[in-house]
Amino acid sequence: GENVEQHPSTLSVQEGDSAVIKCTYSDSASNYFPWYKQELGKGPQLIIDIRSNVGEKKDQRIAVTLNKTAKHFSLHITETQPEDSAVYFCAASIGNYGQNFVFGPGTRLSVLP
Amino acid sequence: DVKVTQSSRYLVKRTGEKVFLECVQDMDHENMFWYRQDPGLGLRLIYFSYDVKMKEKGDIPEGYSVSREKKERFSLILESASTNQTSMYLCASHTGAREQYFGPGTRLTVT
Repeated sequence: GENVEQHPSTLSVQEGDSAVIKCTYSDSASNYFPWYKQELGKGPQLIIDIRSNVGEKKDQRIAVTLNKTAKHFSLHITETQPEDSAVYFCAASIGNYGQNFVFGPGTRLSVLP
Repeated sequence: DVKVTQSSRYLVKRTGEKVFLECVQDMDHENMFWYRQDPGLGLRLIYFSYDVKMKEKGDIPEGYSVSREKKERFSLILESASTNQTSMYLCASHTGAREQYFGPGTRLTVT
């Protein structure tokens, strides 16, 4: 079935450094790729998304890139801050109408002060 | 702001009990989902619904059922709770634009 792989599973960076999380997907029909941030004790929150008709999207310190040919997409966080510490999930749309999602297993990001 | 609420943050139930988890969204979203979240496995889809009284099985529907009598409410039912259903349960909703909004989660422990 459809699958999303995510790496690394844990990531520690110094405050101010950049963090990169990478995902690969298997369904060539996937056309929507959201990223979620989950803080302790909370539900996941959408932080950025990208659709298949663009290769890159940026929102302040966060950016996402998509390579449809290679079926790769990545999250880039620049100038990391302690409040960026959380678990991050990538996802890819699946299904006849792309209304469902398959999620990666998550990356625990720790930003060290 | 979109708000997705879940009836309980924490639940402790005994094996064999029937368990109801309630989810309500306030933004008139057509699509609603129930996931379970386990360490190292990410989010796995249990059931979803595209409309009132409509339901579809996800990847792991065994042992669960759902009900959607009103557009804003989507209930997850554990017919006979078992210890392997101890997990975090997350409800989510979205419109056709697919920006998905999650509730805070219900941590269920079955003893």
